[in-house]
Amino acid sequence: LAKTTQPISMDSYEGQEVNITCSHNNIATNDYITWYQQFPSQGPRFIIQGYKTKVTNEVASLFIPADRKSSTLSLPRVSLSDTAVYYCLLDDNFNKFYFGSGTKLNVKP
Amino acid sequence: GAGVSQSPRYKVTKRGQDVALRCDPISGHVSLYWYRQALGQGPEFLTYFNYEAQQDKSGLPNDRFSAERPEGSISTLTIQRTEQRDSAMYRCASSSETTYEQYFGPGTRLTVT
Repeated sequence: LAKTTQPISMDSYEGQEVNITCSHNNIATNDYITWYQQFPSQGPRFIIQGYKTKVTNEVASLFIPADRKSSTLSLPRVSLSDTAVYYCLLDDNFNKFYFGSGTKLNVKP
Repeated sequence: GAGVSQSPRYKVTKRGQDVALRCDPISGHVSLYWYRQALGQGPEFLTYFNYEAQQDKSGLPNDRFSAERPEGSISTLTIQRTEQRDSAMYRCASSSETTYEQYFGPGTRLTVT
């Protein structure tokens, strides 16, 4: 399983844009980059997935450079309710996910 | 319909006992996954099924752990001769044939005393 590396934690303030970067130097050609969010006492929840360039949905954007060795999850104008752990995963369509320890985002008022 | 459900939500058992954890996926979801999550860590993959076929069980820690999904819907994760190190949150997830999103259940908190 290709693994990913993320910062252990990040702090932000309400209303700011937050960018969480994930490194995946050994990404394979058929890997998709997927991000999940997990609140305390809940299961992870899918946020966004991409293969290259930029993907945007109603909650986040995902930026992937041409070499695909890293990716950046961008959360616009965070609120206190965005405080959670964010996981970057590689999905090789064999449905075997490695979650790692994730990035704990703490949004302050 | 409803989301993924798991039962029991909490299980306390004595060392050496067997436990069975149940997962009821979202109706129509063909893939089902089992994870184990320790406090402060991300979910650790255990095994997954497509329909009733177990596709990958390489994440099961040892032969005391087994899983089945006999009719391609409900799945049971069984841990035999439980040990204290088996204490963790056990999470189940399911996904449909057409999307890559995994939908997670609330988990079963297992405590082995």
